Amino acid sequence: EVQLLESGGGLEQPGGSLRLSCSGSGFPFSSYVLTWVRQAPGKGLEWVSGMTGSGDDKYYADSVKGRFTISRDNSKNTLNLQMNSLRADDTAVYYCARLRLRGYGMDVWGQGTTVTVSS
Amino acid sequence: QSALAQPASVSGSPGQSITISCTVTSSDVGIYNFVSWYQHHPGKAPKLLIFEVTQRPSGVSNRFSGSKSGNTASLTISGLQAEDEAEYYCSSYAGRSVFLTFGGGTKVTVL
Repeated sequence: EVQLLESGGGLEQPGGSLRLSCSGSGFPFSSYVLTWVRQAPGKGLEWVSGMTGSGDDKYYADSVKGRFTISRDNSKNTLNLQMNSLRADDTAVYYCARLRLRGYGMDVWGQGTTVTVSS
Repeated sequence: QSALAQPASVSGSPGQSITISCTVTSSDVGIYNFVSWYQHHPGKAPKLLIFEVTQRPSGVSNRFSGSKSGNTASLTISGLQAEDEAEYYCSSYAGRSVFLTFGGGTKVTVL
């Protein structure tokens, strides 16, 4: 079964750091662009970051550029999101999602992990 | 301000057809035919309904269809059912500098 599973969410203070991980299974992990998408409470979906299968290209939304770092370890089928200088408006459910090989549609999603930034 | 503008809400009765629009407001997005649509029920993972404007992944009901005219993409839900009540988002590739962007979402209510 094709699956993505996020972990690492939790409660952190403003200015703190968290590291999210996404474990993939059931598909050739290194072949796919993977992304992070978040949904803040009461808000819509927001694309956060993405990375090509090889790791050569990384992309970030302006709202997280300079604070978040995406990485992946294809030998472990794992995608990571290092989140530094956290702010209250980073509070959200964070989803890991796989892009189709063609067409930029995100066809496989994890169940999400919740990040709460609060003092 | 999202580069993709969606109506906040759309409603319809069971069996009816409804259409959700997604208007491209940024020239960075408008040149691509990589619009996708997602269905999102609260507490669940979003589900891909349409990719590349009109293409439906295997397993997605043919009650969902996508189209595009000018700078507006649309999602049509035919034969509306109670289970279709959810939030719907359009998304598009937006070039290497932005990569991906979502519309603000449309709440679909089945009356």
